[in-house]
Amino acid sequence: GQQLNQSPQSMFIQEGEDVSMNCTSSSIFNTWLWYKQDPGEGPVLLIALYKAGELTSNGRLTAQFGITRKDSFLNISASIPSDVGIYFCAGQTSGSRLTFGEGTQLTVNP
Amino acid sequence: DAGVIQSPRHEVTEMGQEVTLRCKPISGHDYLFWYRQTMMRGLELLIYFNNNVPIDDSGMPEDRFSAKMPNASFSTLKIQPSEPRDSAVYFCASSYSHEQYFGPGTRLTVT
Repeated sequence: GQQLNQSPQSMFIQEGEDVSMNCTSSSIFNTWLWYKQDPGEGPVLLIALYKAGELTSNGRLTAQFGITRKDSFLNISASIPSDVGIYFCAGQTSGSRLTFGEGTQLTVNP
Repeated sequence: DAGVIQSPRHEVTEMGQEVTLRCKPISGHDYLFWYRQTMMRGLELLIYFNNNVPIDDSGMPEDRFSAKMPNASFSTLKIQPSEPRDSAVYFCASSYSHEQYFGPGTRLTVT
């Protein structure tokens, strides 16, 4: 089946630093989604991307849909302590089924 | 809107008991998904419905698991009999397009 490789698995950064994480796949996706999960909660949708090459921002978050449609990245600028959590990418081909990456655990040191 | 609602938030049960997890999707959403999350396997799709009809249940682990959606505002995931390896967080999500919105999850512990 389809698989997403998400990297890095974990990141430890200082408050104020920028963060970048990405997902790659051997398969083409039509939609890329980025979620954040806080401890004890469900994943929350951050950004949705629908077109190859699309670059979308949501506050300090920026995500891009790769030109090849096989990858996507998420950047967080000027990190703050509340950015701590697990970030998941998810890809969608046809229909509604999502394929999730393994997640990136982000720790921000004040 | 209150978002996707799941109950209970926590469930502790003994092996062999029946467990029923409940979900109320966001009003107007026509897709409903059940996921299981564990450290070892990450987020796994168990089953999803479109307009209350099961579309893909290939992720359901075995016959002990069953899911129903009797109407557009309610779904259940049942495990009977439960086993310790079923311990996980179970999420319900709903959507009307590509964007899925998740509930807070039910943390199930089977002893």
